[in-house]
Amino acid sequence: EVQLVESGGGLVQPGRSLKLSCVASGFTFNNYWMTWIRQAPGKGLEWVASITNTGGSTYYPDSVKGRFTISRDNAKSTLYLQMNSLRSEDTATYYCTRDGGWFAYWGQGTLVTVSS
Amino acid sequence: DIQMTQSPSSMSASLGDRVTITCRASQDIGNYLSWFQQKPGKSPRRMIYGATNLAAGVPSRFSGSRSGSDYSLTISSLESEDMAIYYCLQSIQYPPTFGSGTKLEIK
Repeated sequence: EVQLVESGGGLVQPGRSLKLSCVASGFTFNNYWMTWIRQAPGKGLEWVASITNTGGSTYYPDSVKGRFTISRDNAKSTLYLQMNSLRSEDTATYYCTRDGGWFAYWGQGTLVTVSS
Repeated sequence: DIQMTQSPSSMSASLGDRVTITCRASQDIGNYLSWFQQKPGKSPRRMIYGATNLAAGVPSRFSGSRSGSDYSLTISSLESEDMAIYYCLQSIQYPPTFGSGTKLEIK
């Protein structure tokens, strides 16, 4: 059974940093691209970052480019999202997803609240 | 970026009704279109992939279709458990882009 379990969310002040983790199980982690998607309270779904299966390439929207860094440790089957210079508009539930083109599997999400 | 225009933004239907939600792509996405269902407090659940393929475990009353650049999700006979927000997603190219969502309510 495929499982994606996120952690690391919480309340953080504007301008500070936070690192999210996603532990994967039930599939060969290093065969798949992985993606973070977020959802602000009461809003729609927004792509945040993606990483190739080897970790050799990463992709970001302009809204987070230069502030967020996606990475992975294939030996630990773990995906990360380092978030720096956080803003109030980054407040959202962050989901880890298995890409592979079809986004078949999602974690339960971890809530990040950016507020003073 | 490819824009996905989803309609309607909300709708109300009765149990047993046939319901259709549509997404229009701003560029050719082939069949790289998925539909997701999201219930309150839950993660999105993939319902349809490849425009017409039913995901594992999804009831057969759900179906997907394509007509040109228009993609539709149809529920043939609405059940109470189908109350949710539905999103389309194109994944032919980066960035992957979602429709704005359709909130489906039961009358």
